[in-house]
Amino acid sequence: KQEVTQIPAALSVPEGENLVLNCSFTDSAIYNLQWFRQDPGKGLTSLLLIQSSQREQTSGRLNASLDKSSGRSTLYIAASQPGDSATYLCAAQEVTGANNLFFGTGTRLTVIP
Amino acid sequence: NAGVTQTPKFRILKIGQSMTLQCTQDMNHNYMYWYRQDPGMGLKLIYYSVGAGITDKGEVPNGYNVSRSTTEDFPLRLELAAPSQTSVYFCASSPGTLNYNSPLHFGNGTRLTVT
Repeated sequence: KQEVTQIPAALSVPEGENLVLNCSFTDSAIYNLQWFRQDPGKGLTSLLLIQSSQREQTSGRLNASLDKSSGRSTLYIAASQPGDSATYLCAAQEVTGANNLFFGTGTRLTVIP
Repeated sequence: NAGVTQTPKFRILKIGQSMTLQCTQDMNHNYMYWYRQDPGMGLKLIYYSVGAGITDKGEVPNGYNVSRSTTEDFPLRLELAAPSQTSVYFCASSPGTLNYNSPLHFGNGTRLTVT
């Protein structure tokens, strides 16, 4: 069964700093890897989706990379802002019938003004 | 542009009571999902549907039932509430197989407490 791990569980950085969030998964047979943002009391918002055949995706200040062979993905946030404070979750989609997403437990990011 | 709408936002149930969590989407998405999120844990799939009239079990289906009579609606039913079902429930939808053009869209969740 797929296991998804995110380290660290929490991270505090000063505004303007670049940062990297890590995600690892145990089964490299994935369809894609997604990064989500979750604000307190809210649902999840999709940030980036990397197909298994891709190496990275970029959106604005966000860049996500995928290395299937090593079971790792990273989310790079450039020039962090207080509005980036949230919990970031990664999820690996399985290739079998349910196409289920296996989620990590998230990294809670705080950007200090 | 409503997206995925879940009701209610909060609910407290007594052990043994039943309730239905409502989920509706206005994006004409074929795929719909129910997840639960326990404190400090990742989301786990309860049930999913690939279209009207078609549902299937996810990782943690015990204690729940679903139906999908229309493309828009995907209600989740708890028949005999138990304390272990205390959680935040999220409904999500997507047009079809996930790709870079069709990520998952989530509702804002229903926070359920069973006492």
